[in-house]
Amino acid sequence: EVQLVESGGGLVQPGRSLRLSCAASVFTFDDYAMHWVRQVPGKGLEWVSGISWDSGSIGYADSVKGRFTISRDNAKNSLYLQMNTLRAEDTALYYCAKDRTMIQGVSAGGMDVWGQGTTVTVS
Amino acid sequence: SYELTQPPSVSVSPGQTASITCSGDKLGDIYASWYQQKPGQSPVLVIYQDTKRPSGIPERFSGSNSGNTATLTISGTQAMDEADYYCQAWDSSTAVFGGGTKLTVL
Repeated sequence: EVQLVESGGGLVQPGRSLRLSCAASVFTFDDYAMHWVRQVPGKGLEWVSGISWDSGSIGYADSVKGRFTISRDNAKNSLYLQMNTLRAEDTALYYCAKDRTMIQGVSAGGMDVWGQGTTVTVS
Repeated sequence: SYELTQPPSVSVSPGQTASITCSGDKLGDIYASWYQQKPGQSPVLVIYQDTKRPSGIPERFSGSNSGNTATLTISGTQAMDEADYYCQAWDSSTAVFGGGTKLTVL
């Protein structure tokens, strides 16, 4: 079964950093774009960042631009999110999601596999 | 920034048709996707490229997109379809989600 497993969440003080990881299995990781999406409990989904299969195209939400950095290691089937200068409003459940396509940001895409999420609390 | 607007809630009787709308400027010119999220679970893609269903998604789920509005339609709604539904589209390489619609089957 295609699977994504996030890790690295936790409790962190405002202004500090945290690095999230997402391990992918049972699909050809480097054939697809990947994303991070977050959700405050009881609230809606917010896209955080996306990266193309070859890291050639990267996008960020305005709310995290300049503070968060997405990256991937295709040899390790892993996706990462480096989060710096964390704020209370970054507190959320962070999901890793696989795109249907290779390129992030294309209209024809869609996020067809999601992990269970890892919780980040900034306090 | 681009915005997608959904009604906060929609109610439907079992066996009837539920329609959930998503509005955005010239949304019909780009593709829309739809996600279902049940309490305590991760989202599931139910419609992509306006009208296409991923494998495993029941045929009662369908989508359309024209003008400024995309619509998710659930025909013969079942109790198991009660969930939050989110539309999503891309604007300048940035993904945008609608605020979500809580579908109640009663």
